[in-house]
Amino acid sequence: GAGVSQTPSNKVTEKGKYVELRCDPISGHTALYWYRQSLGQGPEFLIYFQGTGAADDSGLPNDRFFAVRPEGSVSTLKIQRTERGDSAVYLCASSPAYSYNEQFFGPGTRLTVL
Amino acid sequence: DAKTTQPTSMDCAEGRAANLPCNHSTISGNEYVYWYRQIHSQGPQYIIHGLKNNETNEMASLIITEDRKSSTLILPHATLRDTAVYYCIVRVDTGNQFYFGTGTSLTVIP
Repeated sequence: GAGVSQTPSNKVTEKGKYVELRCDPISGHTALYWYRQSLGQGPEFLIYFQGTGAADDSGLPNDRFFAVRPEGSVSTLKIQRTERGDSAVYLCASSPAYSYNEQFFGPGTRLTVL
Repeated sequence: DAKTTQPTSMDCAEGRAANLPCNHSTISGNEYVYWYRQIHSQGPQYIIHGLKNNETNEMASLIITEDRKSSTLILPHATLRDTAVYYCIVRVDTGNQFYFGTGTSLTVIP
């Protein structure tokens, strides 16, 4: 079956611009996660959704970052007033309700802020 | 969640067993050991997890010491496609996010 998909695969933007990154989880998965990965580092947790609500947003670095999942499926990560330090690969993962042990990751969106 | 320590990098000859160590000396009784790997330019992939018994699946075996302060991930017959960064993570099974460290970069050599 289809895995987690993320669009776009690459995004280049200018400092100060607004960007949206999209995640389509595996159908039926209730849990959805966003991570950010900088070069040479492991993925860093940003936010976790259970259904439509953000169950844990403690990893969001500041109020320029926001994420939604209005219908409990697709999620959008929104970054306002982008900064060069936001450049990273943004990863999305999903899990079924019966097991949070295995998170299924998408290929990521590479964001470059010039 | 407890912290883990892994070697930065390792090499393994193709066809041989790859043994990746992980130290988690501060692990709590309700924390599991998880292993994920990340092949270049892909998202992380779940491998295996366990509490205190050794575990085996089609991908690998997980050996946890009796005191649970360390573990070893074993890839029994490494192939070139196993070249990746391997992350050892400790987390309660009711937890949500995973806290990845920097992992071990495994290179399988022909």
